[in-house]
Order: sequence, then structure tokens, then C-alpha cells
Amino acid sequence: NAGVTQTPKFQVLKTGQSMTLQCAQDMNHEYMSWYRQDPGMGLRLIHYSVGAGITDQGEVPNGYNVSRSTTEDFPLRLLSAAPSQTSVYFCASMRGGRNSPLHFGNGTRLTVT
Amino acid sequence: GDSVTQMEGPVTLSEEAFLTINCTYTATGYPSLFWYVQYPGEGLQLLLKATKADDKGSNKGFEATYRKETTSFHLEKGSVQVSDSAVYFCALSEGSTGNQFYFGTGTSLTVIP
Repeated sequence: NAGVTQTPKFQVLKTGQSMTLQCAQDMNHEYMSWYRQDPGMGLRLIHYSVGAGITDQGEVPNGYNVSRSTTEDFPLRLLSAAPSQTSVYFCASMRGGRNSPLHFGNGTRLTVT
Repeated sequence: GDSVTQMEGPVTLSEEAFLTINCTYTATGYPSLFWYVQYPGEGLQLLLKATKADDKGSNKGFEATYRKETTSFHLEKGSVQVSDSAVYFCALSEGSTGNQFYFGTGTSLTVIP
């Protein structure tokens, strides 16, 4: 039972480079989301999706794109990396319903130089 | 808007000491409440939850009671172990989709032998 799988675990980029963080879940959850975690700021929602073909912006969407072509996958794209995007990124999924918890992946630590 | 406030860390305790991590919340409706734990290098894992007033969530010796009158959900453990060293996040969920999850900034706990 893999749960939520994120790749890569670590990544170093130069300013201006682009990349895609991968996220896949095998629990058939309709809801998926991306957070970034920065010291002293907790978790901030970047983008989310309530089902295949549907995405929306969270609290800090600038500089990131997402798409949801299947229920299982929810990749996060950095179009032109900036040092301010240095962070730890977490993907999460949820079954739906008011009392359901979020299930998290193990994160991707991204450094932009 | 909704928010969660946790006690500032870091917290350092000796093994077998009593643990309390304070959490208070502000919500427009009637939220579900959660505690998550994050071990070094890993994602957040659900520790316990409570979905209505006076509910007590419990897991691995940790407990928290949903107190609507004081809008609180304090985490307690009677006797901590070195293996409990981690960052603890309080969270609330207002709706049936995950974009209405709100997290505290986390409290780092270190337990020394």
C-alpha cells in the first residue's frame, strides 16, 4: 500500500530552470493538493484539485502550474525557478467528506540557487 | 477567516515527562480537528482526530479533547519517549474538500534520555 508517492526526494535547480515535481496516489482519492513548507510559516496551499480535469489556486499559486489528467497523478510544474521557491514541497490527497484526513507524501526538498 | 494557533517551540523534555502542546482555533462553522506528526525527513502523518465537541481522539498514548467552549484541542501524553521527538501540527477542516484544511505552524519536540 504505497499511499502518496512523490519524486524526486531532493532537487537542486538554477534560477530560471523549469522542472516538474511528481505526485501519485493509489487510494482513488478525488482530492489532491500541493503545499510548501517553510520555517516558521507552517504549510501553505499552492494548488488543489477536486477531481480529474479540475484544478484551482490555493494561497500561494504564483510561479506554479498544475494539471490533473487522471485521478492518480497531480504534477506540480515550476516554470522558471526562483530562489524564493526554495522549500520543501508536499503532495496530499483526501477521500472527501468533512471528517476525512489528508494523506501526505514524504516531500521533495527543492533548492534554487 | 479560519486559523489555528499553536504554542511556540521548540519544546525539550526528559524521557517519561508529561507533554502538553497547546492548540486553539478560530472557525466560522463547526470544524473537525486533527493532530499530525512529522518525523525528520518524512511527510505529515495523522496522529489523531476529533469530529465533534467533547470527542477525545487518542493514538499511541497521545490524547486530545475537542473543547468547543474554549475553542481548544490540546495534545497530551503522560510519559514521552525519545521516539516521540518530532514536529507536531494542529489542524482543522471546515468542509468536505481539502482546500479548507488549516494548519498551525508546528511545535518541535525533542525528548532527551
